[in-house]
Amino acid sequence: DIQMTQSPSSLSASVGDRVTITCRASQNIGNYLNWYQQKAAKAPKLLIYAASSLQSGVPSRFSGSGTGTDFTLTISSLQPEDFATYYCQHSHSTPWTFGQGTKVEIK
Amino acid sequence: EVQLVESGGGLVQPGGSLRLSCAASGFTFSNSGMTWVRQTPEKGLQWVSAISGSGTLTYYADSVKGRFTISRDNSRNTLYLQMNSLRAEDTAVYYCAIKFHDAFDTWGQGTVVTVSS
Repeated sequence: DIQMTQSPSSLSASVGDRVTITCRASQNIGNYLNWYQQKAAKAPKLLIYAASSLQSGVPSRFSGSGTGTDFTLTISSLQPEDFATYYCQHSHSTPWTFGQGTKVEIK
Repeated sequence: EVQLVESGGGLVQPGGSLRLSCAASGFTFSNSGMTWVRQTPEKGLQWVSAISGSGTLTYYADSVKGRFTISRDNSRNTLYLQMNSLRAEDTAVYYCAIKFHDAFDTWGQGTVVTVSS
């Protein structure tokens, strides 16, 4: 199985900050990498698919990059509604696995 | 509006069975691959199973293979997950989601499954 490792596990940031979350795959997954946002007691929401494609309706302050084994999710200017947990997930081959999550908290 | 509504969760004893349902609306269900994902505080998000739009192709995580069966009724716009031989480690919130662009595009609100004596 392909393992997905996110860093950091949590971070504290202020409104307006630029935030970067990284995700590493245990083997080459090309661009088969997706990012999700989950708020408390809610279902995950797709933000980015295929490493860098912005899901419809998602603000442009979210962006994704990377290929192969190393990927990043960037929030260019953190907004109050962005405080949540973020997960990466690969779709290269089954089983499709998720990272352990990165919790973004208010500083 | 695209909507997915899960139901069928509850408390079941170890070794028991449950059938989850996911009612879909607002999109062409028969054209859409679908998936089940579960979540626990300890293990996070875990993909469980997936099925093609026609229902002919199915996929399972090793942890549920042989115990869970995914199916769909395209005439009823409903996805199912039959869960047999349930174990304590199957306790989780179960979500259904649309599989699109090789990602899980839209998710339901989840249904809670608790396996305990």
